[in-house]
Amino acid sequence: EAGVAQSPRYKIIEKRQSVAFWCNPISGHATLYWYQQILGQGPKLLIQFQNNGVVDDSQLPKDRFSAERLKGVDSTLKIQPAKLEDSAVYLCASSLVGGSWFDTEAFFGQGTRLTVV
Amino acid sequence: GNSVTQMEGPVTLSEEAFLTINCTYTATGYPSLFWYVQYPGEGLQLLLKATKADDKGSNKGFEATYRKETTSFHLEKGSVQVSDSAVYFCALFRPGNEKLTFGTGTRLTIIP
Repeated sequence: EAGVAQSPRYKIIEKRQSVAFWCNPISGHATLYWYQQILGQGPKLLIQFQNNGVVDDSQLPKDRFSAERLKGVDSTLKIQPAKLEDSAVYLCASSLVGGSWFDTEAFFGQGTRLTVV
Repeated sequence: GNSVTQMEGPVTLSEEAFLTINCTYTATGYPSLFWYVQYPGEGLQLLLKATKADDKGSNKGFEATYRKETTSFHLEKGSVQVSDSAVYFCALFRPGNEKLTFGTGTRLTIIP
């Protein structure tokens, strides 16, 4: 089965510019996650969708970050305006059922490496 | 709150050496514990998991036992291979808040 697809793989932007990342989850997966992985740290959850509704966005910096999941399939994550500290790998993951890591597995994409200069 | 503390890296071993990567956690209740692996240029993959105390997760020769008394989930492998070179993340899921909390990761390099 096809995995989680993310694009672009790499992006370099100047601070105060905007950027968008795209994620296509595994077909049929209801739950989609965006994680931020800063170099030397573990991934941090930014937002979790179930179908096209938001389950958890408590750690999303809403003044500059936004995300949407139209029609419960693909998702985009946007940063506007970007700051230097946003440099990180942005990981998308999806899972089959409603966000329960206990009894299911989440599959991760390869990530988008963002460098803000 | 929930937290995961992992052994600092990087770790460099010779092929066929014994591997231990330490992981301890802090959580209330009864969390599930996971090890994820990230090979160069690839996304995170679930390596193994354990859902209750004294459970042992195993996969690809790796093992980890859920020790509630020491709040640990150390990853072990008896004989590592060059292909095991990757970054390993310990993670905790606590039913109720539905979040997966990751450790900082340990980079493992195996030399022939």
